[in-house]
Amino acid sequence: AQSVAQPEDQVNVAEGNPLTVKCTYSVSGNPYLFWYVQYPNRGLQFLLKYITGDNLVKGSYGFEAEFNKSQTSFHLKKPSALVSDSALYFCAVRKNAGNMLTFGGGTRLMVKP
Amino acid sequence: GAVVSQHPSRVICKSGTSVKIECRSLDFQATTMFWYRQFPKKSLMLMATSNEGSKATYEQGVEKDKFLINHASLTLSTLTVTSAHPEDSSFYICSAIGTSGAYQETQYFGPGTRLLVL
Repeated sequence: AQSVAQPEDQVNVAEGNPLTVKCTYSVSGNPYLFWYVQYPNRGLQFLLKYITGDNLVKGSYGFEAEFNKSQTSFHLKKPSALVSDSALYFCAVRKNAGNMLTFGGGTRLMVKP
Repeated sequence: GAVVSQHPSRVICKSGTSVKIECRSLDFQATTMFWYRQFPKKSLMLMATSNEGSKATYEQGVEKDKFLINHASLTLSTLTVTSAHPEDSSFYICSAIGTSGAYQETQYFGPGTRLLVL
């Protein structure tokens, strides 16, 4: 069975500071890893994914994530947070064979001016 | 980029009535669509997986007779909540995965439908 853990329910950061949203996963075989963002009363927007290749993946809105196989982690990062980044972030994993995503519990990011 | 739409975005209905929610992939063909339910401040709960032209696969605990799913074409799946009750009030989100390239790798999500059953 595959699983995803987002250990922090909420992350608070000041505008302009770097941010990190943590994600660890468990899956047999090679993982496909994803980050999505959700704004209030909206669906999920795709941010970035890791399938294969470079461990550092760059995505939308200046976000990036680093795949770390030994630590089974895929933390989301941004060098300089914006107030508009405040939202709910979900990490997800799927096996390379198969379509089903397993989501983490979500982390609320609050960026304060 | 890939776009998935849902209609309606918000619906209020009386208890006992049925509500249909549409999910469309607008710029790619979706062999598989997924229906999720999300409770306030919670993660997404997968309800069912629908493949074009075949019966949906429901997750454990999801009543297939209550949540009817039809995936009649490569761009449209519908979820019908039959005989809705207040406990069915929730945020329903669909997603789609395509047939080729990046669309095969990534689930793209619709904007969600807020259902309130009175």
